[in-house]
Amino acid sequence: QKEVEQNSGPLSVPEGAIASLNCTYSDRGSQSFFWYRQYSGKSPELIMFIYSNGDKEDGRFTAQLNKASQYVSLLIRDSQPSDSATYLCAAGRGWNNRLAFGKGNQVVVIP
Amino acid sequence: SAVISQKPSRDICQRGTSLTIQCQVDSQVTMMFWYRQQPGQSLTLIATANQGSEATYESGFVIDKFPISRPNLTFSTLTVSNMSPEDSSIYLCSVVFYESDRAQHFGDGTRLSIL
Repeated sequence: QKEVEQNSGPLSVPEGAIASLNCTYSDRGSQSFFWYRQYSGKSPELIMFIYSNGDKEDGRFTAQLNKASQYVSLLIRDSQPSDSATYLCAAGRGWNNRLAFGKGNQVVVIP
Repeated sequence: SAVISQKPSRDICQRGTSLTIQCQVDSQVTMMFWYRQQPGQSLTLIATANQGSEATYESGFVIDKFPISRPNLTFSTLTVSNMSPEDSSIYLCSVVFYESDRAQHFGDGTRLSIL
């Protein structure tokens, strides 16, 4: 079992719609959770981090964490073509908060 | 905002040779890490670069193949030794900034191709 799983295939959403991404993690010792956006040929860029159960909102992005279900999600509201990218979920654990990454989900926003 | 510089940005190397990648940050950081991203794959942590001591390697990565140095708070190097085509990958350093959240921020990466 991978530490972090993102199982959804490419996600196509119309411009202005909500994109929903999901992620599960296997290590209950994970304490911090991150969403990164990666454009093709670029390095990952931090979008959101969440450490406590519940929702966290930042602009058009909302991260949700449920530690009991070991589940993290990201909602992108009012999706824009510039949101077209691969979204990576990561879980941190240990003294160094080492990150385990999921394989990523590609999002395509259709104008 | 702080700048994380990686050099070189890309290189093409012959098998059997070694390449050292540098990561320089313009502000103090608490943690530095090295990752690998193979073509079409996600990121895999190679090691945590510890200041003034040996790096902490993840399972599957060894010091002889990936020696790492971190002589001060803002600089680290990763060497890829005795390269083979399987080492063709993007190598990324990441940092956690001092007095910030625990989030890691990435450099632009080094795209390495082995012939």
